[in-house]
Amino acid sequence: DVKVTQSSRYLVKRTGEKVFLECVQDMDHENMFWYRQDPGLGLRLIYFSYDVKMKEKGDIPEGYSVSREKKERFSLILESASTNQTSMYLCASSTPSYGYTFGSGTRLTVV
Amino acid sequence: AQSVSQHNHHVILSEAASLELGCNYSYGGTVNLFWYVQYPGQHLQLLLKYFSGDPLVKGIKGFEAEFIKSKFSFNLRKPSVQWSDTAEYFCAVARQGAQKLVFGQGTRLTINP
Repeated sequence: DVKVTQSSRYLVKRTGEKVFLECVQDMDHENMFWYRQDPGLGLRLIYFSYDVKMKEKGDIPEGYSVSREKKERFSLILESASTNQTSMYLCASSTPSYGYTFGSGTRLTVV
Repeated sequence: AQSVSQHNHHVILSEAASLELGCNYSYGGTVNLFWYVQYPGQHLQLLLKYFSGDPLVKGIKGFEAEFIKSKFSFNLRKPSVQWSDTAEYFCAVARQGAQKLVFGQGTRLTINP
């Protein structure tokens, strides 16, 4: 089975901190994605990547950046965390034939 | 831009009741359609997907969905729900050939024993 692993299940950070959320997939998928999940809003796409060193903005990229130095790893960076970035963050990887596989999520609280 | 609308935010049913969750999308081209489920404390799992062919798609755990192109809809159904179906359900759409999924707002389903 494809596995998508997010490094932290829960994180608590202070306003203004730089935050790194890490995601690793083990099936050589080209595509990787970061979503945030908020009640009543569903999942909203932050950034995605079709290849190493390649990134594209999703629907809500403001306040975030990403890094993909290796095919299996896709990092989400909050340059200066703010309270409105408190959310559940979901990483996913995909191929056209396999579809999406999601990680377990990181619940980030910014205080 | 594509959008996906799930009209029911919270549905409460008793066990053995029949279920239908609505999903409508706005994109006019050829699309791939998905339903995902998120059980409490767990990650998103694929319930079923439609790429082409028979518009009635069967998924895991007795769920099915029907793609009605003329109505831009992909409603999820189950003839008899169980307490273990309590979860949040998400409809998602991707343009055919694209990998970017657009999700609906989600429907929280509560099944009372």
